[in-house]
Amino acid sequence: AQTVTQSQPEMSVQEAETVTLSCTYDTSESDYYLFWYKQPPSRQMILVIRQEAYKQQNATENRFSVNFQKAAKSFSLKISDSQLGDAAMYFCAGGSEKLVFGKGTKLTVNP
Amino acid sequence: EPEVTQTPSHQVTQMGQEVILRCVPISNHLYFYWYRQILGQKVEFLVSFYNNEISEKSEIFDDQFSVERPDGSNFTLKIRSTKLEDSAMYFCASSTDPDAARYQETQYFGPGTRLLVL
Repeated sequence: AQTVTQSQPEMSVQEAETVTLSCTYDTSESDYYLFWYKQPPSRQMILVIRQEAYKQQNATENRFSVNFQKAAKSFSLKISDSQLGDAAMYFCAGGSEKLVFGKGTKLTVNP
Repeated sequence: EPEVTQTPSHQVTQMGQEVILRCVPISNHLYFYWYRQILGQKVEFLVSFYNNEISEKSEIFDDQFSVERPDGSNFTLKIRSTKLEDSAMYFCASSTDPDAARYQETQYFGPGTRLLVL
């Protein structure tokens, strides 16, 4: 991806509720992957989920799922049954070799 | 589960000094990367390394930067003469050979080295 845009600098959700983080991207490449990474206060980058652009089926990983709209170049992350441990910065990233990252969304989970 | 490791976790240095950041990628991975994240900003690509040579580098990766794989396990980033603006979190990442899988494989990140230049 040449550009990745996350339009929500901050989001909050009540514990056990569902939240959706938005991401759009622009690319001229035909083959690429898209990723969501989580960055807790420790600043480590933790892979949450990935989506192969050639696959139509949306990826899911337990409570995390994506809504991948290839034509719209949209790649949102849905977190179901939010937990306090989900609080972190979430980065959307994409590319065919090097990764291009969005600016991130800070997610707060309220008890 | 195998993971990428980085040393040191924190480094403080004086402006103009040389620093070497070290990374041990996942053992069967063949592609290696360095990224940096200035505090409060997004993660930026610096360089990718494959088959003992630089595969791609960004505009940030100027002559002050170099990378090396001195042995079969370590992957290093050297900054020859540090500047104040080099203060950032530096992440190493590795992935398997994308050609083997046809497409980009997942990049697994290390915990980062927090560099502070005074």
